[in-house]
Amino acid sequence: DAKTTQPTSMDCAEGRAANLPCNHSTISGNEYVYWYRQIHSQGPQYIIHGLKNNETNEMASLIITEDRKSSTLILPHATLRDTAVYYCIVRASGYSTLTFGKGTMLLVSP
Amino acid sequence: KAGVTQTPRYLIKTRGQQVTLSCSPISGHRSVSWYQQTPGQGLQFLFEYFSETQRNKGNFPGRFSGRQFSNSRSEMNVSTLELGDSALYLCASNFVGGENEKLFFGSGTQLSVL
Repeated sequence: DAKTTQPTSMDCAEGRAANLPCNHSTISGNEYVYWYRQIHSQGPQYIIHGLKNNETNEMASLIITEDRKSSTLILPHATLRDTAVYYCIVRASGYSTLTFGKGTMLLVSP
Repeated sequence: KAGVTQTPRYLIKTRGQQVTLSCSPISGHRSVSWYQQTPGQGLQFLFEYFSETQRNKGNFPGRFSGRQFSNSRSEMNVSTLELGDSALYLCASNFVGGENEKLFFGSGTQLSVL
């Protein structure tokens, strides 16, 4: 799996958009970008994934650059419950395992 | 649909003992994988089982083992426990068959080795 680089921590005010960047410059053509988050002492939770098109679901939006070397996870209206560690993972299709990096600790404040 | 269930939630053992952790996947999911999470090493992949066979294995010593039953439930065992085995052990399940496989995690078993 390709390696990803994320900032160690980020802050966001409640109600504002949280934009979490991820670099994956060595991504291969068959690798997807996945985002998971982990709230303290719980198991990671799937958020969203994409290959090359931008994606949106009820939780977040994923913007992938045209060259696919980086992406941004957007939480449009962050709440205190969004405080968590966010992991960006690239993985080829058909695989059932994940390689986690250190992720970004997002702190949402009132 | 019930989520991934892990038991027990907390466990305290002493060095040299062995421990067995249990994981019940989401109904219909045939792949179960295990991860270890520690403050120093983060989340690390242990192994994955599919249809009762170990399909992938991480870089852990042989003291860590697992198995999967015909109903897809899985157990992992750690023998001769060491202090460094204290960790949150997470189980994840997924439906194998599509291109975009999402893993669903349980809440984990917090193991403390004294």
